[in-house]
Amino acid sequence: GEDVEQSLFLSVREGDSSVINCTYTDSSSTYLYWYKQEPGAGLQLLTYIFSNMDMKQDQRLTVLLNKKDKHLSLRIADTQTGDSAIYFCATGPGGSYIPTFGRGTSLIVHP
Amino acid sequence: NAGVTQTPKFQVLKTGQSMTLQCAQDMNHEYMSWYRQDPGMGLRLIHYSVGAGITDQGEVPNGYNVSRSTTEDFPLRLLSAAPSQTSVYFCASSQERTGAYGYTFGSGTRLTVV
Repeated sequence: GEDVEQSLFLSVREGDSSVINCTYTDSSSTYLYWYKQEPGAGLQLLTYIFSNMDMKQDQRLTVLLNKKDKHLSLRIADTQTGDSAIYFCATGPGGSYIPTFGRGTSLIVHP
Repeated sequence: NAGVTQTPKFQVLKTGQSMTLQCAQDMNHEYMSWYRQDPGMGLRLIHYSVGAGITDQGEVPNGYNVSRSTTEDFPLRLLSAAPSQTSVYFCASSQERTGAYGYTFGSGTRLTVV
């Protein structure tokens, strides 16, 4: 089946930029998503990008897509302690109706 | 409040008991799905539906049943609970089956089977 890979942990200092990376296998994915999960809560859609785009910016968030390398990244500028959470990369649905989620990257922001 | 509502938020079951996890959305979304989230395993799809009367299996369907009689509701039934079903369950919906505009998740049901 299709796969989405992310590193498990990222630690940054408050005020720095965070970059969370993701690689995927499904080249037919139409949409690529970034979700945020805070402790005890469900997943919240942060942003998404169409597969025909290279970049999308939304306030402190910048998404970069490299279709050739099947690489997606999420940059958070001026990272705050409130950004500490698990971030999920997801692709989908491609040829099916099923999105594929990565296992999530735990972002830890140090004061 | 528009969104995906899951009930209950917490549940403890004894092995062999059955129960239904409820999921309702008021956004007229076409697509609905159930996931379980376990430590180190990420999200695993249990069942999904692309419209009323249509359901299909996901990655881990064994031990679970679903039905979709209305657009709004997508209940998940545990037929005979087992300790391996201890998990956090999330319901998610999408406006279109293509996934356009992303998926809206409920706040989850934390299930413990003893």
